[in-house]
Amino acid sequence: DTEVTQTPKHLVMGMTNKKSLKCEQHMGHRAMYWYKQKAKKPPELMFVYSYEKLSINESVPSRFSPECPNSSLLNLHLHALQPEDSALYLCASSQEGLQHYEQYFGPGTRLTVT
Amino acid sequence: GENVEQHPSTLSVQEGDSAVIKCTYSDSASNYFPWYKQELGKGPQLIIDIRSNVGEKKDQRIAVTLNKTAKHFSLHITETQPEDSAVYFCAALNSGYSTLTFGKGTMLLVSP
Repeated sequence: DTEVTQTPKHLVMGMTNKKSLKCEQHMGHRAMYWYKQKAKKPPELMFVYSYEKLSINESVPSRFSPECPNSSLLNLHLHALQPEDSALYLCASSQEGLQHYEQYFGPGTRLTVT
Repeated sequence: GENVEQHPSTLSVQEGDSAVIKCTYSDSASNYFPWYKQELGKGPQLIIDIRSNVGEKKDQRIAVTLNKTAKHFSLHITETQPEDSAVYFCAALNSGYSTLTFGKGTMLLVSP
């Protein structure tokens, strides 16, 4: 099973709202990722968690706040977003360690900021 | 950092034809190259990958080739079917990290 689940599928929020995106995997993977994808573009890495610790932050604005409560869950907390933050937000996971490179993506959350 | 170039950006073929998508990378230390298929409204799906100690890998109608000397790798799809229509992304693993650099994508359209 290589399933990564994400909720919600769609989210519409105003610029003053606070919302959260959720991601879950039960493959025993210890690395989890958040990507942002704009239309007709490749996924753009935002954050990487390794063994529940934030290991990479690709200079993402503080209005995006990641959280990894345990090895199976990954959240992305959103606050005071801008219309240009509208995009598909993808979660992915992979095993950690040498030779374990395969990343598996979830279906994404389609976010619209109004 | 790693740079991945992907061509063509769009590819139209007739059902039953073959399709080839090509990528080049810049970091000679990269050792892992996955291909993802993304259908409309869905997340990217890992369809095949290749490591630097292998020159070719096949899985039914899809194959990937790697030329380490030239730093390029290609996706080959034979006997294309309409359900192969999607955007395909190549990627390369950034040496020293567990992160991927993606190509810009190829929109493949298979006409019946």
